[in-house]
Amino acid sequence: DIVLTQSPALAVSLGQRATISCRASESVRSSMHWYQQKSGQQPKLLIYGASNLASGVPARFSGSGSGTDFTFTIDPVEADDIATYYCQQSRNDPTFGGGTKLELK
Amino acid sequence: QVTLKESGPGILQPSHTLSLTCSFSGFSLSTYGMGVSWIRQPSGKGLEWLASIWWNGNTYNNPSLKSRLTVSKDTSNNQAFLKVTSVDTADTATYYCAHPNWELGWFAYWGQGTLVTVSS
Repeated sequence: DIVLTQSPALAVSLGQRATISCRASESVRSSMHWYQQKSGQQPKLLIYGASNLASGVPARFSGSGSGTDFTFTIDPVEADDIATYYCQQSRNDPTFGGGTKLELK
Repeated sequence: QVTLKESGPGILQPSHTLSLTCSFSGFSLSTYGMGVSWIRQPSGKGLEWLASIWWNGNTYNNPSLKSRLTVSKDTSNNQAFLKVTSVDTADTATYYCAHPNWELGWFAYWGQGTLVTVSS
């Protein structure tokens, strides 16, 4: 299995930039995707193919990276963005990172 | 518009078989490139891909669950199914079905999930 490692939590202030990282145990090329999950809801696709914005997703969300190191950014952070964010690779059998909980400072 | 909805028993006893149904609309599992995946999430924990079934009947299971998983489909009724044998408390989770992208593997559409509790 390809293991994806994320930091468990990140505290940010409203209006600031939030940067979440995801590191893969081996190269996944650009087969990395990002999801937002709010409490009690299903995950929502935000970014696919490392850097492509999913339909209807605001442009303040972005993604970058390739190989083993990926970054997901929200700039600026709004109150509605408080959620847990997951990376997912599809280079091999799908696996997800452990999630990064975005919290307000 | 793609929608998916899971249904299941809610609660079942250890050692029993879990049977889940995913009812979907907006695509057909007889169309090239279409598929349904199953993903679960224990309360307060992360996401785990379980299995996928594709339009051509091919299925893929998470090796960590070995032969406990069976996925199938009913193309005529726009449904997909997941069976998990010999459940125990570790299988307690919210189970989602999702619509995967065939070529690049992301999950653009998800059901709302169904909570399954394994308890005696």
